[in-house]
Amino acid sequence: DAEITQSPRHKITETGRQVTLACHQTWNHNNMFWYRQDLGHGLRLIHYSYGVQDTNKGEVSDGYSVSRSNTEDLPLTLESAASSQTSVYFCASSSDRTGGYTFGSGTRLTVV
Amino acid sequence: AQKVTQAQTEISVVEKEDVTLDCVYETRDTTYYLFWYKQPPSGELVFLIRRNSFDEQNEISGRYSWNFQKSTSSFNFTITASQVVDSAVYFCALGGSTLGRLYFGRGTQLTVWP
Repeated sequence: DAEITQSPRHKITETGRQVTLACHQTWNHNNMFWYRQDLGHGLRLIHYSYGVQDTNKGEVSDGYSVSRSNTEDLPLTLESAASSQTSVYFCASSSDRTGGYTFGSGTRLTVV
Repeated sequence: AQKVTQAQTEISVVEKEDVTLDCVYETRDTTYYLFWYKQPPSGELVFLIRRNSFDEQNEISGRYSWNFQKSTSSFNFTITASQVVDSAVYFCALGGSTLGRLYFGRGTQLTVWP
């Protein structure tokens, strides 16, 4: 069965370190997204990609980067982790051809 | 601008009560999608429904029903005979016709007491 997986599920890191969160989907969806969830804010968009080599900034992109070298993966990198980036991160993928919109199980990141 | 408003931050009900979660959206698109997701205490986002802007028919799925009214830009969600397992945060979301990014409301925390 097709799926979207995020790793790790939980991560604790120190301020200033570089951290990469993985997202892998086997739906063959063109569109992939990274959201962060914080209490009182719902889910906010960090970065997104509509295809290989395409990346775009969302509304809360400062301090984050992504790259899309293939259809399946959109890793999210925190260049220098800050305490304000402690959050739950969700990856998602979608296809307007199939009408599917799927979320991963989330990564809980704590920056200490 | 695209925007979703869930005015109810928290709702508490007693088991077997009916409860309605409100969702109001703003968009200039003529074609769009509306979603409801459930987030139980375990944290994952569980898809409940996707509704196309051209389909204003109300939908019922077991104890769940959705009322879509374009005239008031609302997509409300009703749980009939609520159960403790319905306790969760519920998110309403708006997406464009190409199913790009979604715009989420801030969520409604529903607590159902036994």
